[in-house]
Amino acid sequence: GAVVSQHPSRVICKSGTSVKIECRSLDFQATTMFWYRQFPKKSLMLMATSNEGSKATYEQGVEKDKFLINHASLTLSTLTVTSAHPEDSSFYICSARSRTESNYGYTFGSGTRLTVV
Amino acid sequence: DQQVKQNSPSLSVQEGRISILNCDYTNSMFDYFLWYKKYPAEGPTFLISISSIKDKNEDGRFTVFLNKSAKHLSLHIVPSQPGDSAVYFCAASVWGSGTYKYIFGTGTRLKVLA
Repeated sequence: GAVVSQHPSRVICKSGTSVKIECRSLDFQATTMFWYRQFPKKSLMLMATSNEGSKATYEQGVEKDKFLINHASLTLSTLTVTSAHPEDSSFYICSARSRTESNYGYTFGSGTRLTVV
Repeated sequence: DQQVKQNSPSLSVQEGRISILNCDYTNSMFDYFLWYKKYPAEGPTFLISISSIKDKNEDGRFTVFLNKSAKHLSLHIVPSQPGDSAVYFCAASVWGSGTYKYIFGTGTRLKVLA
């Protein structure tokens, strides 16, 4: 079945530094990739959507200059948290939708716990 | 290898009837299970969860059942309402490498017919 590999699973960084999170689809081409942030009530907030061959579309309220998303290829998307601050500490998770699956064929990464100190 | 499987990609149920969404898993180390609901163009919303030490958790119209021996969980919605039409994901968490990891199923689209 479709697998999405997300790493690192956990990262601690100093305030002001940048952190890159990778999301790879291992055995399928992901036409669309999503990045989510999980909040305390456990709902996942969609941050941005990137489609094959185009720039990411950011949700309202998400700073595109702070959360840089690069959909480098059909199998790789990266989220870079730039100039991280403690309030950026959260759980980030990616999801990919494959070319051949219907629109409920989402595959999720296992998440990244970011702690900014 | 898909550790969390939702084998039914879609389900249609008549309004007022019971909806049963199923989820199977393979990793016996999973210690917490969650169900999320997703509307189009929105992120998944947390619905209900269950710890591996329990076999049932109920919240209003939603009940999750866990059968550890069968490595199976199910979400029951009763009575089903048209507003319940959405994609439902089950997820399991396991502790590893200093953090929890979440493994999601691929989703089941529920359509509740009026």
